[in-house]
Amino acid sequence: AQTVTQSQPEMSVQEAETVTLSCTYDTSESDYYLFWYKQPPSRQMILVIRQEAYKQQNATENRFSVNFQKAAKSFSLKISDSQLGDAAMYFCAYRSPNSGYALNFGKGTSLLVTP
Amino acid sequence: EAGVAQSPRYKIIEKRQSVAFWCNPISGHATLYWYQQILGQGPKLLIQFQNNGVVDDSQLPKDRFSAERLKGVDSTLKIQPAKLEDSAVYLCASSQWTEWEQYFGPGTRLTVT
Repeated sequence: AQTVTQSQPEMSVQEAETVTLSCTYDTSESDYYLFWYKQPPSRQMILVIRQEAYKQQNATENRFSVNFQKAAKSFSLKISDSQLGDAAMYFCAYRSPNSGYALNFGKGTSLLVTP
Repeated sequence: EAGVAQSPRYKIIEKRQSVAFWCNPISGHATLYWYQQILGQGPKLLIQFQNNGVVDDSQLPKDRFSAERLKGVDSTLKIQPAKLEDSAVYLCASSQWTEWEQYFGPGTRLTVT
């Protein structure tokens, strides 16, 4: 079974600064997708960014970008120009055709943004 | 476009009681997922439906949990009888097809006392 590991239970960043959240995963599959989801206190899971394993180029969505290192099985999220509204739990997730495309989540990283 | 709807938002029950959660996916979405999120952990898949058929229920505790998706639209998840360790947030998600993006509902927070 695939495992997703987020080794940082909590992270803190000052407003307007940059922060990087780490994620590693374990798989023997070649066809898969990786995601970062944001979960604010309202509990609604919001997709932040996605990366297809076959794409070498790192995904970018406005202030959010990833560093996808396929050989190292690493998938980190960089948040630039952090805003107070970025404060939330962030989950790294993996899905593949072999798992029916269900999401396999890490334990999450709590991000605190200070003024 | 309306999002995934779930009810109730909160539920408190005593152990050994029964409880049911309801999910209405986005219109036209064929795939529906139920996830359990225990405090301090990431969500874990309980069951996945494709239309009204079960794709994966390998992690569903079938001695106490049941789920159905009548007519391939709404779904209900039931726990009978509940245990203390069932306290969690239950998230419903849907996608147009299995390989497409999943959209999540607001979840139901269950507390078992």
